[in-house]
Amino acid sequence: QSALTQPPSASGSPGQSVTISCTGTSSDVGGYNFVSWYQQHPGKAPKFLIYEVNKRPSGVPDRFSGSKSGNTASLTVSGLQAEDEADYYCSSHGGSDNLYVFGTGTKVTVL
Amino acid sequence: EVQLVESGGTLVQPGGSLRLSCAASGFPFSNYWMYWVRQAPGKGPEWVSRVSGDGSTTSYADSVQGRFSMSRDNTKDTLHLQMNSLRAEDTAVYYCARDHWGWAFDHWGQGTLVTVSS
Repeated sequence: QSALTQPPSASGSPGQSVTISCTGTSSDVGGYNFVSWYQQHPGKAPKFLIYEVNKRPSGVPDRFSGSKSGNTASLTVSGLQAEDEADYYCSSHGGSDNLYVFGTGTKVTVL
Repeated sequence: EVQLVESGGTLVQPGGSLRLSCAASGFPFSNYWMYWVRQAPGKGPEWVSRVSGDGSTTSYADSVQGRFSMSRDNTKDTLHLQMNSLRAEDTAVYYCARDHWGWAFDHWGQGTLVTVSS
């Protein structure tokens, strides 16, 4: 399984926005609208943030938004708060040979 | 409230076997596909396996195909992962997770650590 590529780190000051990219191929991110995003604090399980590229589950603040262009998906966190400091992972359906593929992860730091 | 509680993780020697369990509550268990997802230390998550709601269909990642077997007991709302021929690279925290409309994971357990080492 080849992981989706994310930048190792991103940062922003409180109140600012940060955008995280997730780059795959036409066989995964570019081929399906099944991109999801997860937030993970140290020592905790991942938390579900976004599904089907840009849909938010109930209870997730609208500060979190998703998009996709071609083979790259993005997660934007607006109005950064201290509790947003965490690792973020994308995931995509990867076709019949690679059902679910995750990203390499991005550590977001709130300055 | 949806709850998933994994158990069974421990230190095991290379070549050994281990069975993980996941107890589910707070939702109609048999209505949902379920997954195992693992995360090696310092790495991103990796999908391991999935099982249909009635247990009749399973799928596995290439990295575990032929060595791991996933099953479920809908009378006890429990998920299992039988892991055989364990390798050092199987060392990870193993999470069970619930399906969200086919292609996402909406609830995760707290995880159970499997360490494969001599």
